[in-house]
Amino acid sequence: EAEVAQSPRYKITEKSQAVAFWCDPISGHATLYWYRQILGQGPELLVQFQDESVVDDSQLPKDRFSAERLKGVDSTLKIQPAELGDSAMYLCASSRAWDTYEQYFGPGTRLTVT
Amino acid sequence: DQQVKQNSPSLSVQEGRISILNCDYTNSMFDYFLWYKKYPAEGPTFLISISSIKDKNEDGRFTVFLNKSAKHLSLHIVPSQPGDSAVYFCAASYNQAGTALIFGKGTTLSVSS
Repeated sequence: EAEVAQSPRYKITEKSQAVAFWCDPISGHATLYWYRQILGQGPELLVQFQDESVVDDSQLPKDRFSAERLKGVDSTLKIQPAELGDSAMYLCASSRAWDTYEQYFGPGTRLTVT
Repeated sequence: DQQVKQNSPSLSVQEGRISILNCDYTNSMFDYFLWYKKYPAEGPTFLISISSIKDKNEDGRFTVFLNKSAKHLSLHIVPSQPGDSAVYFCAASYNQAGTALIFGKGTTLSVSS
């Protein structure tokens, strides 16, 4: 069964450092999402891509966060500089097409900022 | 203000009994609802969904009920198994497919043998 791949699974970084996360969606899935999940909360959208284009980044803290999906396949989410409040699980999800509600999630990257 | 609410942080059920997880929403524009299950250190796994034009959807041991007038949905698991122990998230979507899901805070289900 095809899965969404994410790396690294765990990342510990010091505040003010840069950190990057990678996501490879299920093959053929045109829509890709990055969510952030703080402990005790549900996932919240950071950015959504349709192919290589950003569809929604209204909740992305653009002063420190950036995301790209250059070839419309895999994607990278970057934080620079990291802050203590960025400690969370970063989840990548993909869906087959624009007319599909179901999203499939990767295992996530657990970020700890010290 | 939270648009999707799961007011019970936790639920404990004995193996073989029914588990009922509840979810309330405030936005009448939501037209599709999903339930996800999440184990520790893993991403959420899609479980079951329901369109707003239906009031019930069943898949094996899992059934989701939707009451649009009350803006309430519930997930029933019968019979509950120890492997069902996980965090369950209710999620909603509106406008069209392909938009971001809005999640509740989750309910931790513990099924004891």
